[in-house]
Amino acid sequence: AQTIHQWPVAEIKAVGSPLSLGCTIKGKSSPNLYWYWQATGGTLQQLFYSITVGQVESVVQLNLSASRPKDDQFILSTEKLLLSHSGFYLCAWSIDPLYFGAGTRLSVL
Amino acid sequence: TQTVSQSDAHVTVFEGDSVELRCNYSYGGSIYLSWYIQHHGRGLQFLLKYYSGNPVVQGVNGFEAEFSKSDSSFHLRKASVHWSDSAVYFCAAANTGGADRLTFGKGTQLIIQP
Repeated sequence: AQTIHQWPVAEIKAVGSPLSLGCTIKGKSSPNLYWYWQATGGTLQQLFYSITVGQVESVVQLNLSASRPKDDQFILSTEKLLLSHSGFYLCAWSIDPLYFGAGTRLSVL
Repeated sequence: TQTVSQSDAHVTVFEGDSVELRCNYSYGGSIYLSWYIQHHGRGLQFLLKYYSGNPVVQGVNGFEAEFSKSDSSFHLRKASVHWSDSAVYFCAAANTGGADRLTFGKGTQLIIQP
């Protein structure tokens, strides 16, 4: 069975500090991978997607970047956090439908 | 502009009641529609999807949804809700026939009263 693991579970960070969030998929080779962002109480917005190692497409510009260093790993990062980066970050994989991880809650203060 | 509209931010029913959560879309061409559930503080879980064929689709835990091209709708229904159905429900749509470009609605919070 496929599993998707996100880390960390939660982060509290200062404005201007760096950020790295991770996502690992096990049990599925060459999955399509996605990062979604959800504002508190809001809808989901797709940020990035990747269909293969080393290739990432940006969907929305939010001063974030993403990388796929391994087939089963997807990283979301930024060098300088903004207050507007606060929210819930969800990693997902897909053939169809989407399968989501448990998410990372980010609070930027 | 392609949009997914969930007109009800909150729906409150009693346990055992039936419920319908509404979803309307504005898309041209072939459409892929799905529903997801999010329990508080958790990731989303897939409930059901429609792309073609029978407009009434069955999902997990007794949920079903009906596609209507004339009404541009994909409403979610359940005949008898349980307290564990309390969650936020998201309708999502895409043109591609798959999950790659899903646009999500704003969600409807379903509140189950005992």
